Amino acid sequence: DGGITQSPKYLFRKEGQNVTLSCEQNLNHDAMYWYRQDPGQGLRLIYYSQIVNDFQKGDIAEGYSVSREKKESFPLTVTSAQKNPTAFYLCASSNLAGTQETQYFGPGTRLLVL
Amino acid sequence: AQTVTQSQPEMSVQEAETVTLSCTYDTSENNYYLFWYKQPPSRQMILVIRQEAYKQQNATENRFSVNFQKAAKSFSLKISDSQLGDTAMYFCAFIGDGGATNKLIFGTGTLLAVQP
Repeated sequence: DGGITQSPKYLFRKEGQNVTLSCEQNLNHDAMYWYRQDPGQGLRLIYYSQIVNDFQKGDIAEGYSVSREKKESFPLTVTSAQKNPTAFYLCASSNLAGTQETQYFGPGTRLLVL
Repeated sequence: AQTVTQSQPEMSVQEAETVTLSCTYDTSENNYYLFWYKQPPSRQMILVIRQEAYKQQNATENRFSVNFQKAAKSFSLKISDSQLGDTAMYFCAFIGDGGATNKLIFGTGTLLAVQP
């Protein structure tokens, strides 16, 4: 099956701890994205990557880090510097070729602070 | 700055009826893309429909259609023959065609409840 997978579904973080959220896609998409969703708000962009070994900050990058070592994978690390990490995190990907701009989303990871 | 506004936080419709969700946006770009995404209780974000701004014809996907008014910067979603499975949060989103970000800009969503 082609698609985007995220793991884990639920993640608990202790104070001062770094945690990593996984995102994998087998759609052969060039671009990948991380969004954060808070109650009553739309999605906000954290980081995005258009090509392997390159990524850019989105609107709310502080306290987060990413890597893009493989085309299929775009993990997100929530660092201890992120003071309010409780949220729903969604990974997306899109094919930059041609005029296709549609982003397809994974099932999400719910992060909670203990 | 580009913004997307959904002025209806919640809506309700009877099963088999038709409902229209509103969305307005603001941009100085001439070409762009607009989307409606559905987020059911599972929280998976699912693409419902897409519209390219340079196309005058309104997009349709089965029971879902849009009314795209470029001059008014309006992009409403019509759901015909509503089904219980349509109950979800619906997000309107915009993406420009000229920037390097490919960043989706989302509205705050409309929670649609389909009543039996």
